[in-house]
Order: sequence, then C-alpha cells, then structure tokens
Amino acid sequence: ETGVTQSPTHLIKTRGQQVTLRCSSQSGHNTVSWYQQALGQGPQFIFQYYREEENGRGNFPPRFSGLQFPNYSSELNVNALELDDSALYLCASSLAETATEAFFGQGTRLTVV
Amino acid sequence: AQTVTQSQPEMSVQEAETVTLSCTYDTSENNYYLFWYKQPPSRQMILVIRQEAYKQQNATENRFSVNFQKAAKSFSLKISDSQLGDTAMYFCAFIPGGTSYGKLTFGQGTILTVHP
Repeated sequence: ETGVTQSPTHLIKTRGQQVTLRCSSQSGHNTVSWYQQALGQGPQFIFQYYREEENGRGNFPPRFSGLQFPNYSSELNVNALELDDSALYLCASSLAETATEAFFGQGTRLTVV
Repeated sequence: AQTVTQSQPEMSVQEAETVTLSCTYDTSENNYYLFWYKQPPSRQMILVIRQEAYKQQNATENRFSVNFQKAAKSFSLKISDSQLGDTAMYFCAFIPGGTSYGKLTFGQGTILTVHP
C-alpha cells in the first residue's frame, strides 16, 4: 500500500453543487497530480501541483481548480457540478527532482445526481 | 500530443498459464517512458513495470515482462504463471522524457480475468 491517502472515499452530490476532494501525498513527495477516471475508462490528467503552484493542466474547464499546501497535500475543487463529473478521482504523488514513479491513492468515487 | 491505445477490452487466462496484453502508442518524442499499471477492484493504481525508451533491453519484474518495439511503437505486457491475484484492469501509460512522472497519458485499459 502506498502512503497516498484520499478523502472521502465516496460521496454523492447534486447537480450544481460544489465539491472538495482531498489528497495527502506520500512523505517526501512534492508533486501531486489529479486524474478523472470515468467508469470503464482510463484516467484522464486534470492538473498537477508542484511546490504549491499549478504545473500543467489537461483538457478540463476552469470550474476544476486545485490547491497545494506547504505540507504538499492537495485539494481538488469542482464547481457547478454536472452529471458527467461522476467518476473516480485519483491523486498521485511523486518527487519531481528524481526519476521516480507516481504513487496513487485509492481514489474518491463521486456521484452527481 | 501523445495517444495510447489498448485494443483488447477484455482478456481471460487459466491459472498458471501465460497471457499477453497489447498496447500501441503514438508520439513524436524520442525519449519517453512507458508503464503498465494494474488496478484491482480496490481501485488503487499499482505500478507493474516500467520501460525507458532509450534502453533497448526489455524490462522484467518477476513474472511480468514487456516486449518493447520502439520502431513499431508497441509495448506489450506478458504475464507468466498467471495467478488469481492478477485479476484486475491493466493500463498502459506514457510519459515524455523530462516531464514530471505525474503527467501520465493512459490507454483505455484491458480487463484481465484469471480463472482457476
């Protein structure tokens, strides 16, 4: 098991609401990446945070936003939820300065009704 | 832009037998990394094996090995002596060289079922 933890594990929201998902990175890692995985599909890169700044973004609208804190934990915020936002949200932590793999958390299953 | 394609939505194999999962990719990069990740029902993505494009030798990790064909842009995963615990969804993934390891491009996945 990796040291990456995500909370909550499941949640249900209503269309139009806002949601915040949280990720604690593995000890010593300074980079967190977020992915959206629709049912039966591969994960899609949302964005990455390195040392508290956004460091690359995938093809997602601005209502998907994030933060990284001084302890390198991170939040993913989604405003104005749509039904298509229902998915598994994965975060992965890594260390930017060395050639290492990304370690994934167990994900947050978001259902929008 | 990079793309990763897994053309086998589902595969099945008998316990103790060998199975090969296919992956092709498209990129204009010369230096890059390729990965196979396993996602069991627990949902956590687990790294199975990694290949660096500038290394000609195919990577191996115990029962897992790859057949990396750079010219053909092909990266298949061979699982030998399949075990029930290998049942999972398998994803092929790509990252350009010099990029943080977090920015992965994934394929659509292959569901592998190992039967007793």
